[in-house]
Amino acid sequence: KQEVTQIPAALSVPEGENLVLNCSFTDSAIYNLQWFRQDPGKGLTSLLLIQSSQREQTSGRLNASLDKSSGRSTLYIAASQPGDSATYLCAGKGGSEKLVFGKGTKLTVNP
Amino acid sequence: DAGVIQSPRHEVTEMGQEVTLRCKPISGHDYLFWYRQTMMRGLELLIYFNNNVPIDDSGMPEDRFSAKMPNASFSTLKIQPSEPRDSAVYFCASSPWPDTQYFGPGTRLTVL
Repeated sequence: KQEVTQIPAALSVPEGENLVLNCSFTDSAIYNLQWFRQDPGKGLTSLLLIQSSQREQTSGRLNASLDKSSGRSTLYIAASQPGDSATYLCAGKGGSEKLVFGKGTKLTVNP
Repeated sequence: DAGVIQSPRHEVTEMGQEVTLRCKPISGHDYLFWYRQTMMRGLELLIYFNNNVPIDDSGMPEDRFSAKMPNASFSTLKIQPSEPRDSAVYFCASSPWPDTQYFGPGTRLTVL
């Protein structure tokens, strides 16, 4: 059974800092790994999707990597801004359509 | 497209009452998912449908929970009778196979 863990649960950084959010998963037979953003009181918005055959994906200031052998994914945010403050969740997808989510990392970027 | 639409956005009810949550997926999406989010357990998949047919309901916690999808543009999640431990945010998401899911804004349920 796939389990996804995100550490730390919360992170506070000053504006402009580069940061890394971590995600680990137990089953390396992963179809894809996705990163989502959740703002307070809102639903989830997809940020990046990495297929199992890929190593990383980039979108603007965001870069996500996937290392199946170690069961890890990272989300790198460059030059963080207060608008990046949100909860970031990673989710692994196996052979079915089911996503298994971590509990998220709550990021606060201080002006 | 307006995205995934959920109603109501907030629901407060008393223990023992029936609760019905509603979802309108994005047009053309063949998959529909119902999730529950709590602080303790995070985001959990309850059930998902493909072309209006329930595929996996292993996440439905008890027989008190039921979900239907009578057509491609509407789904309901019903809790009868409701209990305080059902208090959570319930999300509906839709997806075109096989990639990412598009989430609705959620329904915050409080059972007193």
